[in-house]
Amino acid sequence: QVQLQESGPGLVKPSETLSLTCTVSGYSISSGHYWGWIRQPPGKGLEWIGSRWHSGSTYYNPSLKSRLTISIDTSKNQFSLKLSSVTAADTAVYYCASSITMIGEIDYWGQGTLVTVSS
Amino acid sequence: QSVLTQSPSASGTPGQRVTISCSGSSSNIGSNSVYWYQQFPGTAPKLLIYRNNQRPSGVPDRFSGSKSVTSASLAISGLRSEDEADYYCAAWDDSLSAVVFGGGTKLTVL
Repeated sequence: QVQLQESGPGLVKPSETLSLTCTVSGYSISSGHYWGWIRQPPGKGLEWIGSRWHSGSTYYNPSLKSRLTISIDTSKNQFSLKLSSVTAADTAVYYCASSITMIGEIDYWGQGTLVTVSS
Repeated sequence: QSVLTQSPSASGTPGQRVTISCSGSSSNIGSNSVYWYQQFPGTAPKLLIYRNNQRPSGVPDRFSGSKSVTSASLAISGLRSEDEADYYCAAWDDSLSAVVFGGGTKLTVL
């Protein structure tokens, strides 16, 4: 069973870079799947951030693309999110996620981690 | 403003059948599969329906999905109190090259 766990700072200052890591257990990242991130501002709906195919192709939300990097570290079986120049609008619960076949078919979710952007 | 449109709320009494709708366009629902997610407060979403009308293992057959042109629906029959949750539709959008979500529907079991 694939398990995902987010980690990273819960508080980020405006204009700085938000960095999160997702540790995968129960499956080797290099074997397949899309690996990505979804966020949910407090009291609001889900927003897809982006995904990366295990072998390299990346797909980013156009509204975040200029600030976004999703990378994979197969040696650590982890993938990460970097979102630069954050503002209060980036405050959200961030979920890491995995899709076996289709990007929109999200089979596995992390428990989510709240990131607050505030000085 | 979400690319996929859902009614913010829906309700029903135990045993009833309720339907939650999701409206899109030719670039998303019209040309790609629709997915439905169920989310309880404080927890991660869970895949409920995939590829328009398929249920993952463990999802009761009370839940069913359908798609017609640029709209999709999630039906819940034999409504139970434990079905009270938020429901989101999602699809790939060819124009945006992105996954798009509906704004979510909060289902209340009266």
